[in-house]
Amino acid sequence: SQTIHQWPATLVQPVGSPLSLECTVEGTSNPNLYWYRQAAGRGLQLLFYSVGIGQISSEVPQNLSASRPQDRQFILSSKKLLLSDSGFYLCAWNGYQSTDTQYFGPGTRLTVL
Amino acid sequence: GDSVTQMEGPVTLSEEAFLTINCTYTATGYPSLFWYVQYPGEGLQLLLKATKADDKGSNKGFEATYRKETTSFHLEKGSVQVSDSAVYFCALSASGTYKYIFGTGTRLKVLA
Repeated sequence: SQTIHQWPATLVQPVGSPLSLECTVEGTSNPNLYWYRQAAGRGLQLLFYSVGIGQISSEVPQNLSASRPQDRQFILSSKKLLLSDSGFYLCAWNGYQSTDTQYFGPGTRLTVL
Repeated sequence: GDSVTQMEGPVTLSEEAFLTINCTYTATGYPSLFWYVQYPGEGLQLLLKATKADDKGSNKGFEATYRKETTSFHLEKGSVQVSDSAVYFCALSASGTYKYIFGTGTRLKVLA
């Protein structure tokens, strides 16, 4: 069966520091991969999605970036964190069909101080 | 563009009460529709889905029917439990796109 991992689970970082969040998927190949952010008490904001290695689509211009160095690995990065980057970051994957369910990882809670 | 609108929360109910969370959508073509649930501190989990008009998705006592004529996918449960307290998200996936569109979420609190 397929599983999706995210780490770290919790992160506290100072403003201006770099960021690297990792997401890996097991048990499937060629998944579509997504990064979402959820601010406290808010809905989901799509940040990036990828349909293949090295293919990244950005939804919101900001100081974050994403990379997909391997088929089942998706990384979210920043060179300098802002206070407004605090939130709950969720990675997700699904297959190619629009009828496919999107599966979510357990999330990373990021607090920028 | 495509969009999903959910009723504002929070919704507070007593145990064994009837639940309805409204969801309407705007989309071109024939999207697939989903309900996800999020428990505190966790990621989203699929609750149920429907992929074509008049389909009924069901799981754990929850139901939702894909109504194309009213562009709605309302979530219902006949008798809620304290353990159903969570945030519920309605979502759609349109054919020909890679993106899933989520509603803003509705927080449900069930009191014993």
